[in-house]
Amino acid sequence: GAVVSQHPSWVICKSGTSVKIECRSLDFQATTMFWYRQFPKQSLMLMATSNEGSKATYEQGVEKDKFLINHASLTLSTLTVTSAHPEDSSFYICSAIAGSSYNSPLHFGNGTRLTVT
Amino acid sequence: DQQVKQNSPSLSVQEGRISILNCDYTNSMFDYFLWYKKYPAEGPTFLISISSIKDKNEDGRFTVFLNKSAKHLSLHIVPSQPGDSAVYFCAASATGGSEKLVFGKGTKLTVNP
Repeated sequence: GAVVSQHPSWVICKSGTSVKIECRSLDFQATTMFWYRQFPKQSLMLMATSNEGSKATYEQGVEKDKFLINHASLTLSTLTVTSAHPEDSSFYICSAIAGSSYNSPLHFGNGTRLTVT
Repeated sequence: DQQVKQNSPSLSVQEGRISILNCDYTNSMFDYFLWYKKYPAEGPTFLISISSIKDKNEDGRFTVFLNKSAKHLSLHIVPSQPGDSAVYFCAASATGGSEKLVFGKGTKLTVNP
């Protein structure tokens, strides 16, 4: 099956620093990847849609200057949390569509637990 | 405003019995629905989906039922197995596919041996 690898699985950083999270599709090419965030006991919330070779599309309320997304190749998208603050502590998870149609299901990475101290 | 609601945070069933997980939605534009299963420290994995043109989709032990008039869908697992113990997320989209999925908060299923 389609595999999406996300790294790191957890990270602790100090307030004010930046953190980069990588998302790779290992056995398929992903023109589009999606970044989600989940707070404790809440649902997964779509943050942005990452498109290879173009700018990401951000959902309402998500600061694009704070959450920098780069989709440099068909197998790699990165999310950089800039100037992280404790309120950015959350579970970040990426996903990609493996098939050629948007009817294909999303395949998720294992997520990254970010803790900002 | 929660567009996809899973009102039961947890469910416990005996091995071999049926597990029924419920999901309600408010957005009448949703036309594609999915169920994902999530184990601790892993990402969600796709289980089963259903288009709004259908009212039932079956895949092995898993069946999803869709009642559009009630804006309700359910996932039936028969027979339930201990390995099914996980958090189940209901998701929906208005794009006919997996773009812009809206997720519920999940239901933790425990299947007791």
